[in-house]
Amino acid sequence: GESVGLHLPTLSVQEGDNSIINCAYSNSASDYFIWYKQESGKGPQFIIDIRSNMDKRQGQRVTVLLNKTVKHLSLQIAATQPGDSAVYFCAEKATGFQKLVFGTGTRLLVSP
Amino acid sequence: KAGVTQTPRYLIKTRGQQVTLSCSPISGHRSVSWYQQTPGQGLQFLFEYFSETQRNKGNFPGRFSGRQFSNSRSEMNVSTLELGDSALYLCASLGTSGSDEQFFGPGTRLTVL
Repeated sequence: GESVGLHLPTLSVQEGDNSIINCAYSNSASDYFIWYKQESGKGPQFIIDIRSNMDKRQGQRVTVLLNKTVKHLSLQIAATQPGDSAVYFCAEKATGFQKLVFGTGTRLLVSP
Repeated sequence: KAGVTQTPRYLIKTRGQQVTLSCSPISGHRSVSWYQQTPGQGLQFLFEYFSETQRNKGNFPGRFSGRQFSNSRSEMNVSTLELGDSALYLCASLGTSGSDEQFFGPGTRLTVL
């Protein structure tokens, strides 16, 4: 069945480092991908999204890369801060459906 | 603009009981989706409502149901609760036409004893 997975369950970095969180997806029909950040006790918060007709999109301190050939998505966070500590989820969606398929999540721990 | 609100935030029930959770989307948003989040299964799609009609449905048993009202507020109901239904139930509100960004509420933490 369809699935979206993450390679690393926990990522520990030092403050100021760049972080890279990876995600694999399996549904070739997915054309929209999103990264969410979830802090303890809160709902997922939108970080950045990308459509399948793009391979890179940048936001403030974040960049999402999409490689459709190998069905891989990554989130890069520049100059990681302690406030970035959270669980990060990738999610995918196919055209015409509002169902998001989420990855298992990666916990990012940022040490000062 | 107020965000997505969910009530109650916490709920404790016993096996066999039923529960109703409520979600108010962002003003002007007409689509509401529900997700279940557990440590073991992660975030899983339950169903989506648009203009009072269920438009998409996930792979959950019939004990899980929902509805949407004319003001776009949505409720989900779980009947005959099981221990495994303990989870964080999240509601997401979809933006305006042409946008795919879903905004999540804080969730309702349901504990089944």
